[in-house]
Amino acid sequence: DTEVTQTPKHLVMGMTNKKSLKCEQHMGHRAMYWYKQKAKKPPELMFVYSYEKLSINESVPSRFSPECPNSSLLNLHLHALQPEDSALYLCASSQGLAGVTGELFFGEGSRLTVL
Amino acid sequence: AQSVTQLDSHVSVSEGTPVLLRCNYSSSYSPSLFWYVQHPNKGLQLLLKYTSAATLVKGINGFEAEFKKSETSFHLTKPSAHMSDAAEYFCVVSDRGSARQLTFGSGTQLTVLP
Repeated sequence: DTEVTQTPKHLVMGMTNKKSLKCEQHMGHRAMYWYKQKAKKPPELMFVYSYEKLSINESVPSRFSPECPNSSLLNLHLHALQPEDSALYLCASSQGLAGVTGELFFGEGSRLTVL
Repeated sequence: AQSVTQLDSHVSVSEGTPVLLRCNYSSSYSPSLFWYVQHPNKGLQLLLKYTSAATLVKGINGFEAEFKKSETSFHLTKPSAHMSDAAEYFCVVSDRGSARQLTFGSGTQLTVLP
């Protein structure tokens, strides 16, 4: 099993809603990541979890709240988002920290639209 | 500090002709380099990686890349383009002395004409 599974694939929410994005991997990877990708741009790193602990937060606004309940699951809780937060949110995992080992395994992403 | 520059934002080729996507990098340490591909509305997939072994690296789907330290380049090539190669390609550098993970290039959109 070499997949990273993200749900939902599409999400539309208002600025006052609370929603969550979910990510799951069963490759035994100990590092998991959230990236944000705007159209025609490279992915931008948001958060890194290593061994279920938050190791990197790239100065992301508090309306994005990550959670890693266990080594296979990664959530991104969304609250009071702005229209400019509309983007493709990608989850990824790696055997070790990607800065050392390099290879990331990506999910297909959750496309978020904020109205 | 590390950085990566993809020299072409768009490349257009005819089916069956060679593909060349150019990437230059800078790194304070001995870098690892990667090419990822992203098809429309999909996640990224690793095409190939260089991690200080052979300088000519072969990847999936007939792609290969050559690490040239003297030119600080890691260009991606394929002898014969296929329609299914149409996608966005990202060159990525990992500076193993850095805790900031991977640095992505701005991407090259490859169009394959019939």
